[in-house]
Amino acid sequence: KNEVEQSPQNLTAQEGEFITINCSYSVGISALHWLQQHPGGGIVSLFMLSSGKKKHGRLIATINIQEKHSSLHITASHPRDSAVYICAANTGNQFYFGTGTSLTVIP
Amino acid sequence: NAGVTQTPKFQVLKTGQSMTLQCAQDMNHEYMSWYRQDPGMGLRLIHYSVGAGITDQGEVPNGYNVSRSTTEDFPLRLLSAAPSQTSVYFCASSYGRGGSREKLFFGSGTQLSVL
Repeated sequence: KNEVEQSPQNLTAQEGEFITINCSYSVGISALHWLQQHPGGGIVSLFMLSSGKKKHGRLIATINIQEKHSSLHITASHPRDSAVYICAANTGNQFYFGTGTSLTVIP
Repeated sequence: NAGVTQTPKFQVLKTGQSMTLQCAQDMNHEYMSWYRQDPGMGLRLIHYSVGAGITDQGEVPNGYNVSRSTTEDFPLRLLSAAPSQTSVYFCASSYGRGGSREKLFFGSGTQLSVL
């Protein structure tokens, strides 16, 4: 049983396309995190949200607490956005992670 | 600030050997945690700590020990390595002791192979 499910698993887009990655979770959360894992393996935090919507540059994250669903959007995608995007459900002191969405943006 | 420093980057062990993965942060974060990342399974929480002297188990704690004697350091010990512990290990920290965590800061990872 996976507490966090992501879709799609793999995604290939042309440069400039609008991208959406979805995350559904089954646990009660205090927050939902979106992470980016670079091809070299390093992981950085993109967003932490507990309600509504957050925006940082071309990235937008939304969450619907009632539906237990979050989305990560990338506007005007660029090859440098190619990475694995991971959502994580924060249930206080514990974290549960999705298996990630591997994004490739082609020039 | 160095952020989260994790060592070593690579390690090869023989079955039954012991070792310690080091993790240190200089951001005065209360919360520190260890994860393993396996292909197709995503990150899984091994152990975590909400402050010096306080540790607790995560999703996959068997075969691993931790301690937190200072705010800065949170080492992960493998007492008797097994091939099933071959994985990539990440340490992460965040601000705050309460239920709602701030963003996580990750170390660069340790690729461990147990033969």
